[in-house]
Amino acid sequence: SQTIHQWPATLVQPVGSPLSLECTVEGTSNPNLYWYRQAAGRGLQLLFYSVGIGQISSEVPQNLSASRPQDRQFILSSKKLLLSDSGFYLCAWSVLQGHSPLHFGNGTRLTVT
Amino acid sequence: GESVGLHLPTLSVQEGDNSIINCAYSNSASDYFIWYKQESGKGPQFIIDIRSNMDKRQGQRVTVLLNKTVKHLSLQIAATQPGDSAVYFCAENIGNAGKSTFGDGTTLTVKP
Repeated sequence: SQTIHQWPATLVQPVGSPLSLECTVEGTSNPNLYWYRQAAGRGLQLLFYSVGIGQISSEVPQNLSASRPQDRQFILSSKKLLLSDSGFYLCAWSVLQGHSPLHFGNGTRLTVT
Repeated sequence: GESVGLHLPTLSVQEGDNSIINCAYSNSASDYFIWYKQESGKGPQFIIDIRSNMDKRQGQRVTVLLNKTVKHLSLQIAATQPGDSAVYFCAENIGNAGKSTFGDGTTLTVKP
């Protein structure tokens, strides 16, 4: 069966520090990969998605970047965090073709202080 | 632009009753709709989906209804249980890109 792992679960970082969140998927090949951010009490906003190694699409202009160095690895990064980067970050995968739901990890709660 | 919205932010029901959670969407090009359940501190979990060529789809204790005429989606939960307490999101997709647009969610509270 497929599983998705995100780490760390929680993170507190000072303003101006770098960020690296990692996500890996097991049990599937060539997945679509996604990074979403969820503000408190709100829905999810798509930040990045990837259909293959090295292929990244950004949905919103921001202080973050994403990379996909391997087929089942997706990384969210920042060189210098802002207070507004605080939130709940969720990685997800879906099958490459056709209509299919997203499968989410359990997220990283990021607090920028 | 397109948007996905829920009619009510909170819903409280008695254990054993049926629950109905509603969702409105504005983009007639959306062709795939999904309901997710999110428990506190966790990622959303897939519940049920429906394509635009269908009006109704049933799962275990859950039914999704799609009314394309009025751009309305609903999730019905039969015999609601305390474990159903969570935030429920509807999401829409356009085409095969797999990029979902989410609503803000409805918080379902089940009273024993």
